[in-house]
Amino acid sequence: QKEVEQDPGPLSVPEGAIVSLNCTYSNSAFQYFMWYRQYSRKGPELLMYTYSSGNKEDGRFTAQVDKSSKYISLFIRDSQPSDSATYLCAMRSDYKLSFGAGTTVTVRA
Amino acid sequence: GAGVSQTPSNKVTEKGKYVELRCDPISGHTALYWYRQSLGQGPEFLIYFQGTGAADDSGLPNDRFFAVRPEGSVSTLKIQRTERGDSAVYLCASSQASRGGTGELFFGEGSRLTVL
Repeated sequence: QKEVEQDPGPLSVPEGAIVSLNCTYSNSAFQYFMWYRQYSRKGPELLMYTYSSGNKEDGRFTAQVDKSSKYISLFIRDSQPSDSATYLCAMRSDYKLSFGAGTTVTVRA
Repeated sequence: GAGVSQTPSNKVTEKGKYVELRCDPISGHTALYWYRQSLGQGPEFLIYFQGTGAADDSGLPNDRFFAVRPEGSVSTLKIQRTERGDSAVYLCASSQASRGGTGELFFGEGSRLTVL
């Protein structure tokens, strides 16, 4: 069993819809939780970063962490075609980042 | 440069050949990572450098893989006797943080290796 499991997708949604992305993890030592966005043939770029359980908002993006359930989510409101990308959840306990497999999202205009 | 630079961006080689992939991190970043990303998968950890030394090489799949960072800046990932299963995108990332903490990893665009 992998340390980080991510809902596989792919997801295809109309412009303006809410996108919901989810990951679960098994390693209780993970302290930092991140979401990366990766466009085709590019490297991952950090989108959201959280440390504690709860919600964190940044514009149209909301990251949720539930440490008791070992579950994290990313919500994208009012999705735009430019949000079409692969979204990777990532977690770390010290220096090493462990990634989920990624969910590819397509937002249709 | 402003970001992490990786060369070559694409490399096609034949089974059994030797390959070197280069990473030039963001200036001043002490931590450097190599990850491997196979098609449809997330990046998988290979090796972590803090300065010149490999602090953790537990992700290297076997002894055909080796990485160096002799002066604490540029790093080279070396793959001997390449196999078709080595085909993947090799990502390099650098970070300002020494250990743990909130240091963001900045990724390069990757080197896409294809072994025929």
